Amino acid sequence: GAGVSQSPSNKVTEKGKDVELRCDPISGHTALYWYRQSLGQGLEFLIYFQGNSAPDKSGLPSDRFSAERTGGSVSTLTIQRTQQEDSAVYLCASRLAVFNEQFFGPGTRLTVL
Amino acid sequence: KNEVEQSPQNLTAQEGEFITINCSYSVGISALHWLQQHPGGGIVSLFMLSSGKKKHGRLIATINIQEKHSSLHITASHPRDSAVYICAALCQNTGNQFYFGTGTSLTVIP
Repeated sequence: GAGVSQSPSNKVTEKGKDVELRCDPISGHTALYWYRQSLGQGLEFLIYFQGNSAPDKSGLPSDRFSAERTGGSVSTLTIQRTQQEDSAVYLCASRLAVFNEQFFGPGTRLTVL
Repeated sequence: KNEVEQSPQNLTAQEGEFITINCSYSVGISALHWLQQHPGGGIVSLFMLSSGKKKHGRLIATINIQEKHSSLHITASHPRDSAVYICAALCQNTGNQFYFGTGTSLTVIP
């Protein structure tokens, strides 16, 4: 079985443009997380989806960030009007259920010029 | 103060040495997750434990719930163990959110 996949692997954009990052979790995994890792920094929680429950958006840094998860599977993280401080690696992780380990995707490296 | 603290921040060891990485947390947790981040950036799950000890190959993870402390041990270290090791505490209150340590960067010299 395939692991968590993310696309694109790299994205370079100009300040002010919108970007969409995609995550395909492991099939059957009900929980999905988005994290951000800035250069030399630790992982920063952004948003969490669990089944059909309302997502936990408490980590989103501003209203320019949003995410959705369609059909309980694929998730898209959207950043509107990108800023240079949005440059980071965006990581997605999924897990089967509560108390299970997370499996991480390879990440999308976003560079905002 | 971070909810999860790791030590040391950086560690250099000679090949073959026994290595210990420590993780302390201040929140109530349901479980603790140890992760390995390779130089290329990929993150691999090592252990998830809520009590006692787990062993996989040369890696051993222990947790003491009363002392709010976990350790990751690597026996007979090898240069391929060079990576950043991250502990993440699964928050008991939310059951969903992980608090991450800032990582321990390990370099094993041949």
